Amino acid sequence: AQKITQTQPGMFVQEKEAVTLDCTYDTSDPSYGLFWYKQPSSGEMIFLIYQGSYDQQNATEGRYSLNFQKARKSANLVISASQLGDSAMYFCAMREEGYQKVTFGTGTKLQVIP
Amino acid sequence: EAQVTQNPRYLITVTGKKLTVTCSQNMNHEYMSWYRQDPGLGLRQIYYSMNVEVTDKGDVPEGYKVSRKEKRNFPLILESPSPNQTSLYFCASSPQGAAYNEQFFGPGTRLTVL
Repeated sequence: AQKITQTQPGMFVQEKEAVTLDCTYDTSDPSYGLFWYKQPSSGEMIFLIYQGSYDQQNATEGRYSLNFQKARKSANLVISASQLGDSAMYFCAMREEGYQKVTFGTGTKLQVIP
Repeated sequence: EAQVTQNPRYLITVTGKKLTVTCSQNMNHEYMSWYRQDPGLGLRQIYYSMNVEVTDKGDVPEGYKVSRKEKRNFPLILESPSPNQTSLYFCASSPQGAAYNEQFFGPGTRLTVL
């Protein structure tokens, strides 16, 4: 079974609007971490935000926030006030404490329209 | 500067010709990992290493070998490359394999096997 699911292969958003990128996960490990990475067209992987399974509050980093709904096993990335430079691939990933592998989703390609 | 380096960045080779992609990190990280990225499949873990002389298979280890003789280096070896190993490869490291550890990625190696 897929552990990380990103159901939106591609999305468009108007500049200055907010956008939500979906990520659902599956694990039986009570301790895990969820990560979002950005991959611009230049190819490098850029860490954006982290959410721990025991964190009580949703993580925020500047314009990025993570909408963490533990019971639904979802960890959606919210980008506020989109900028043209936000156009990129976005990957959700999970690390489980008792399972040393790291699992990535298939990614969402976001395009910001002027 | 803290970084993960990979060499070469680009490589075109022929089927069956052994090759090695090097990966080195200068952050004294214990955990290192290799991923391949293919369109529509996201990043998939090939091998990972928890520490020197400790390596384990990821989700797609067939056709690859790794070694971890020194903490800073984690080379990826393709003993007999085949066209289906044409991909973008990333090396990554993190302080440990804990669920809360962010991974730091190298710049990627684009491999083409003819």
